[in-house]
Amino acid sequence: LAKTTQPISMDSYEGQEVNITCSHNNIATNDYITWYQQFPSQGPRFIIQGYKTKVTNEVASLFIPADRKSSTLSLPRVSLSDTAVYYCLVGGVNTNAGKSTFGDGTTLTVKP
Amino acid sequence: EPEVTQTPSHQVTQMGQEVILRCVPISNHLYFYWYRQILGQKVEFLVSFYNNEISEKSEIFDDQFSVERPDGSNFTLKIRSTKLEDSAMYFCASSLRTINEKLFFGSGTQLSVL
Repeated sequence: LAKTTQPISMDSYEGQEVNITCSHNNIATNDYITWYQQFPSQGPRFIIQGYKTKVTNEVASLFIPADRKSSTLSLPRVSLSDTAVYYCLVGGVNTNAGKSTFGDGTTLTVKP
Repeated sequence: EPEVTQTPSHQVTQMGQEVILRCVPISNHLYFYWYRQILGQKVEFLVSFYNNEISEKSEIFDDQFSVERPDGSNFTLKIRSTKLEDSAMYFCASSLRTINEKLFFGSGTQLSVL
């Protein structure tokens, strides 16, 4: 399983765009990149998943460069309710999705 | 959106006692998981379950732990003889498939072992 590295914490203000980058230098050819969000005392919640280039859904965008050794989760116009821990996971076609490793995550604090 | 439900939300027990944590996965999901998160620490994988058997387990999931799907809807985690270090939030999750599949997590059971 590819090891991931993220910033421990980030601060932002309401209305700003937030970009959280995850490094995964040992990503394998078949690995996908998945991001989860976790609020205190709740289970992680799926945000977005991608393999390469750019993926966008109703809550976020995921940018993956050609070498796939990193990825960036982009949250447009954050609000106070986006304060949470964000996890980047890497797993592949031969990896049981449930066994993907949650790293330390990035604690995002959105200020008014 | 469909939900994974867990009961109870809080469980307090004495060291050495058995506890059973209950989960109702999303109805059409086929893969089920248990994770735990000790306060302030990472989310740790415990076990995955498919087709009525364990498909993978971590080194944390020792002989004190067992899982069961006693009927068509429930998925349980049993800790036979709880230790102080078992105090944690336990999350159940389910997925439709297993490979590169998004996981749906429940809200967790906070287990406190005294």
